[in-house]
Amino acid sequence: DAKTTQPTSMDCAEGRAANLPCNHSTISGNEYVYWYRQIHSQGPQYIIHGLKNNETNEMASLIITEDRKSSTLILPHATLRDTAVYYCIVRTRGSSNTGKLIFGQGTTLQVKP
Amino acid sequence: ETGVTQSPTHLIKTRGQQVTLRCSSQSGHNTVSWYQQALGQGPQFIFQYYREEENGRGNFPPRFSGLQFPNYSSELNVNALELDDSALYLCASSPMEGSYNEQFFGPGTRLTVL
Repeated sequence: DAKTTQPTSMDCAEGRAANLPCNHSTISGNEYVYWYRQIHSQGPQYIIHGLKNNETNEMASLIITEDRKSSTLILPHATLRDTAVYYCIVRTRGSSNTGKLIFGQGTTLQVKP
Repeated sequence: ETGVTQSPTHLIKTRGQQVTLRCSSQSGHNTVSWYQQALGQGPQFIFQYYREEENGRGNFPPRFSGLQFPNYSSELNVNALELDDSALYLCASSPMEGSYNEQFFGPGTRLTVL
């Protein structure tokens, strides 16, 4: 699976958009980009995933560059409850690792009042 | 719809002991994965079970073993506990093998080895 690089930490003002970048320059054509977040002392929570088109759901938007080497997770109106560690994961298809998610260090997002 | 549940919430063991952690999958999910999360680190994949068989394993020694039952619930067993086994153990379920569907995580079991 391709490796991802994320900033260690970011701050965001409450009510503003939070833009979390992720680099995955070695991504291959059949790999999806997934985002999860982990609020303190809880299990990770799925946010969104995409292949090459931009995606949006009720939680966030995912913007993937045309060359697919990087992506940005956008929380349009961050709240204090969005304070968490955000993980960008690139996942490949394979019978031996279908459930395997490779978590890096993630980005700690601190939303401030 | 019931989410993924894990028991116990917290557990304290001493070095050399054995421990069993339990996980109930979300309704309709037949694949279960286990992760270990050390303090300040991201979760690390231990193994996955599908239809009661191990289907993929991370870089963990054989003293980490598991079971999946016909109702898709699962156990993680760790023998000969070491101090470094102290961690949050997470269980995740998903609807089917080989899908790109998201995994749903439980709240975890905090294991402390003294």
